[in-house]
Amino acid sequence: DADVTQTPRNRITKTGKRIMLECSQTKGHDRMYWYRQDPGLGLRLIYYSFDVKDINKGEISDGYSVSRQAQAKFSLSLESAIPNQTALYFCATSAPRDRGRSGELFFGEGSRLTVL
Amino acid sequence: QKEVEQNSGPLSVPEGAIASLNCTYSDRGSQSFFWYRQYSGKSPELIMFIYSNGDKEDGRFTAQLNKASQYVSLLIRDSQPSDSATYLCALAPYSSASKIIFGSGTRLSIRP
Repeated sequence: DADVTQTPRNRITKTGKRIMLECSQTKGHDRMYWYRQDPGLGLRLIYYSFDVKDINKGEISDGYSVSRQAQAKFSLSLESAIPNQTALYFCATSAPRDRGRSGELFFGEGSRLTVL
Repeated sequence: QKEVEQNSGPLSVPEGAIASLNCTYSDRGSQSFFWYRQYSGKSPELIMFIYSNGDKEDGRFTAQLNKASQYVSLLIRDSQPSDSATYLCALAPYSSASKIIFGSGTRLSIRP
């Protein structure tokens, strides 16, 4: 089983619908992230959370919200989806960058969202 | 100016040759630097990280960091067809060392 699991893996929806992407992890990391990937634009940070009570906006948080339900769960919501939110979404986790640890990100397999 | 800049490619390299991927960054105080490999339709995976000036080698991969010139590079020796992928440069900026910011990636193609 994957250490970082995203559901759904693929979703097609219509403009105006509410969508939730879920992420759960078994790595025991406190830090969780949501990124969006578009062709030619790399990965852009939407939101990140360093513990259950900590939520921070990333570069492109407008139109998105998140919920950190538990240390292992971090969900991303699109309250009213629009076509330019069509993208590949990645959840990631990391340990702190200390004691020789790199702080590298561990990614889920991605959720491909299409908004018609 | 983007925080992390990469040439989008595609970079075409013959099998067995050295592939050289470059990345420049704007935040002089950036602390840690990463190279991720991403196959089409898959999630990124870490192949190297570096935080000190100089070279760091791991098998066929060498990461090079020059903080004075604000660039980081990745060399792949003895390139194989399986190295064909998009390579993402990433860093932890001084402004918020807790985040990791990505470049747009360089597509590498190894031709037989």
